[in-house]
Amino acid sequence: DAMVIQNPRYQVTQFGKPVTLSCSQTLNHNVMYWYQQKSSQAPKLLFHYYDKDFNNEADTPDNFQSRRPNTSFCFLDIRSPGLGDAAMYLCATSRGVSRTDTQYFGPGTRLTVL
Amino acid sequence: AQSVTQLDSQVPVFEEAPVELRCNYSSSVSVYLFWYVQYPNQGLQLLLKYLSGSTLVKGINGFEAEFNKSQTSFHLRKPSVHISDTAEYFCAVSALQGGKLIFGQGTELSVKP
Repeated sequence: DAMVIQNPRYQVTQFGKPVTLSCSQTLNHNVMYWYQQKSSQAPKLLFHYYDKDFNNEADTPDNFQSRRPNTSFCFLDIRSPGLGDAAMYLCATSRGVSRTDTQYFGPGTRLTVL
Repeated sequence: AQSVTQLDSQVPVFEEAPVELRCNYSSSVSVYLFWYVQYPNQGLQLLLKYLSGSTLVKGINGFEAEFNKSQTSFHLRKPSVHISDTAEYFCAVSALQGGKLIFGQGTELSVKP
């Protein structure tokens, strides 16, 4: 089955220690998204890639970076995690960025910051 | 500006009872609406979507939703719920600039035996 895969499912890091979360997809979609979801809140878009074109949300902290080396993979780098960055991180993909394009989500990575 | 309001943060219901999860939207242009379900410690799974056409949309797991333009609503319904439907449900609208979903705050559905 075509799908969105996130590794690891659970990640523990220390305050200030860089961490990388991984997402891959077999849907061959052009667009990949990263969302942050804190407890009991809606997902919040951090940024997305349309092919190699990076689109950052205005309120995404500089501490969050992303890389997309090829169509299938996208990484979320948190340079210096703080306690407030503990959250579920969701990767999603879509065929395009039209308003009718559906986003398909991975299972998420739950990040704990000690 | 577009927005989505989910009127109930929590909905407790007994097994086999009907349920309605309410969603209202605000938009000055045509809308494209989505319902997602999130099981504990999982990602979001698409339940159904309204893009155009029939205002009654059928989705997976026996859910359906009705798009009502005059009331700016897109309520989600299921005639008989199961314990396994216990989850968080998010209503979302596709933003004007494309490539972005605007989510409501979610409704926690709790199905009790």
